Amino acid sequence: DIQMTQSPSTLSASVGDRVVITCRASQSISTELAWYQQKPGKAPKLLIYRASTLEDGVPSRFSGSGSVTEFTLTISSLQPDDFATYYCQHYKRTFGQGTKVEI
Amino acid sequence: EVLLMESGGGLVQPGRSLRLSCTGSGFTLGDYDINWFRQAPGKGPEWVGFIRSKGHGETIEYAASVKGRFIFSRDDSKGVASLQMNSLKIEDTGVYYCSRPRSEYSGYDRYWGQGTLVTVSS
Repeated sequence: DIQMTQSPSTLSASVGDRVVITCRASQSISTELAWYQQKPGKAPKLLIYRASTLEDGVPSRFSGSGSVTEFTLTISSLQPDDFATYYCQHYKRTFGQGTKVEI
Repeated sequence: EVLLMESGGGLVQPGRSLRLSCTGSGFTLGDYDINWFRQAPGKGPEWVGFIRSKGHGETIEYAASVKGRFIFSRDDSKGVASLQMNSLKIEDTGVYYCSRPRSEYSGYDRYWGQGTLVTVSS
């Protein structure tokens, strides 16, 4: 099975900061990667798919990049609504362990 | 509006069975793969498996942790997908979600239910 490893596990940031989260796959997954945002008590929300395509309705401050085994999610200017946990996911399957973005 | 709603969760003893349902509205469930995930308290989402649409051959895959114990099915005429969970273990405890891809030809899940809590405890 392909394992997904995120870093960091926790990230402390302020409103307006640029935030970068990294996801590494244990073997090549091409660009078959999604990024989700999850808030407590809610289902995950799709932000990015196919590694770099922004889902409809998601603010443009979110962007994704990478391929093969190394991927990043970037939030260009952190907003109050962005404090949440972020997960990468290999297409239809395994999630990373998550990155909590906190104040 | 596309909606998914899980039901059937509850408290169950180890070794017993439970059946979850996922009801879709605002779209034709038969046109889409249905995926199942779970989330243990304080943990990240875990893939449980999926049942693909008839157009995709109704292929089924299970995570290794549930293979042989869980069974997916779907009744497209009723717009319902089901998850039969047998021989439940304490580690099966969590919120169970069903989800649907953003389009018929995508594997990326835009639509999720609100989840239903399954607690396995004696």
